[in-house]
Amino acid sequence: EAGVTQFPSHSVIEKGQTVTLRCDPISGHDNLYWYRRVMGKEIKFLLHFVKESKQDESGMPNNRFLAERTGGTYSTLKVQPAELEDSGVYFCASSQERGTGKYFGPGTRLTVT
Amino acid sequence: DQQVKQNSPSLSVQEGRISILNCDYTNSMFDYFLWYKKYPAEGPTFLISISSIKDKNEDGRFTVFLNKSAKHLSLHIVPSQPGDSAVYFCAASAAGGGADGLTFGKGTHLIIQP
Repeated sequence: EAGVTQFPSHSVIEKGQTVTLRCDPISGHDNLYWYRRVMGKEIKFLLHFVKESKQDESGMPNNRFLAERTGGTYSTLKVQPAELEDSGVYFCASSQERGTGKYFGPGTRLTVT
Repeated sequence: DQQVKQNSPSLSVQEGRISILNCDYTNSMFDYFLWYKKYPAEGPTFLISISSIKDKNEDGRFTVFLNKSAKHLSLHIVPSQPGDSAVYFCAASAAGGGADGLTFGKGTHLIIQP
C-alpha cells in the first residue's frame, strides 16, 4: 500500500512569489492534515480536512495560506505571497478515522529567499 | 505556551538496555496520545498510541504508559537496538472534543550506543 506522498520535495522561491504544495493521502483515508515545522521549532498543526470539508483550520497562520481538497482526494496548500518566515518543512498526514494514528508524508522543504 | 513538553532534548542508552522517553502535557482535554519516530529528511513515522481510557499499550518492543492524574506519558523501548537511534516526538489530540489535529512536543534525540 502506498504511503502519503508529497510534491515537490523541495522548493526554493523568492519573497513575494507563490508556491503550491501537493499532498496525496493514503487511499481511502478521509482525514487529511497539514503541519509545518519552522527551523528549530516543534511541528505545528495547520488544518484538518474530512473528505473535502475543512474540519479545523485553527492552525493556519494567516490569509496568505489557502488549502483545498477538491473531490476529497489530494490536497493543495498555496502560499501567496510567500514571506521569509514561511520557510520550513510542510508535512501532510492522513488517517482513516479521527482519533487514530496519523501517517505522515516525507514533507516539502520550502525555502523563501 | 507549550501544551506538550519533552524536557530531555537527548538521551543516550546502551544497546540492549531499556530506553525510557518521557512526555508531559498540560491540556486536560487531550484524550489521545501518540509517539512518532523521525529520521533526518523524512516524515515522522507513527509508532504507537494510547487512548485516555487506558493506562498502558504494548506493541512488540514498544510500550506506552499513561498517567492521567500526573498528565504524564512515557515510551519504553526494550531491548534498545542501534536502529532505534532517531528523534522521538510525543503528540496529543483532543479528538473526542472535535480537535483531531496533533500538538507535538519538541522531540527527544535518542542515541543507542553499541
